[in-house]
Amino acid sequence: SAVISQKPSRDICQRGTSLTIQCQVDSQVTMMFWYRQQPGQSLTLIATANQGSEATYESGFVIDKFPISRPNLTFSTLTVSNMSPEDSSIYLCSVSNSYEQYFGPGTRLTVT
Amino acid sequence: DQQVKQNSPSLSVQEGRISILNCDYTNSMFDYFLWYKKYPAEGPTFLISISSIKDKNEDGRFTVFLNKSAKHLSLHIVPSQPGDSAVYFCAASANLYGSGTYKYIFGTGTRLKVLA
Repeated sequence: SAVISQKPSRDICQRGTSLTIQCQVDSQVTMMFWYRQQPGQSLTLIATANQGSEATYESGFVIDKFPISRPNLTFSTLTVSNMSPEDSSIYLCSVSNSYEQYFGPGTRLTVT
Repeated sequence: DQQVKQNSPSLSVQEGRISILNCDYTNSMFDYFLWYKKYPAEGPTFLISISSIKDKNEDGRFTVFLNKSAKHLSLHIVPSQPGDSAVYFCAASANLYGSGTYKYIFGTGTRLKVLA
């Protein structure tokens, strides 16, 4: 399986600001995804990061709030924009080359 | 509508005994299933998968059983160890239009505690 790193591992941000989370993989992967896990909840897919084109967002998530970039097959970023306390979550990057998905360590975001 | 359900939020098992974690799904189009283990402050760790063409897959102490008619799968851990204490998630996906792209829907998780 691929080795996946995320930066930052955690952050505390003020409401109204934005945070960009980076996901780096040690090998080229076909698919990259961004998930959110709110406190006490399951994992929810935010979007599929498409290389060289706009991300594909799931219902309830929009590009203005969660812009995503994927410039190549090993790197992606997720920005959480105009943050509010409701955005406090763990944000997870995952990668896949087929049917199995592997997750990064996550970014724990707290918005005050 | 929760398409993937784990109805037991928690489970306690004695060390050395069997742990059985259950998962139910509603979408008959799901054809691939994954189990993950998650420790606090870490990302989910992939454990084992099963395709809908199988009814059992085994990897060491972990076995996953799939009952398609009941839309039910279970993860068996034998023997259970204290290090297995974690939250376990099941996830289900359909091969979107045969594209090879799998988007997973996750259950709510079951917290397993293995007692020494």
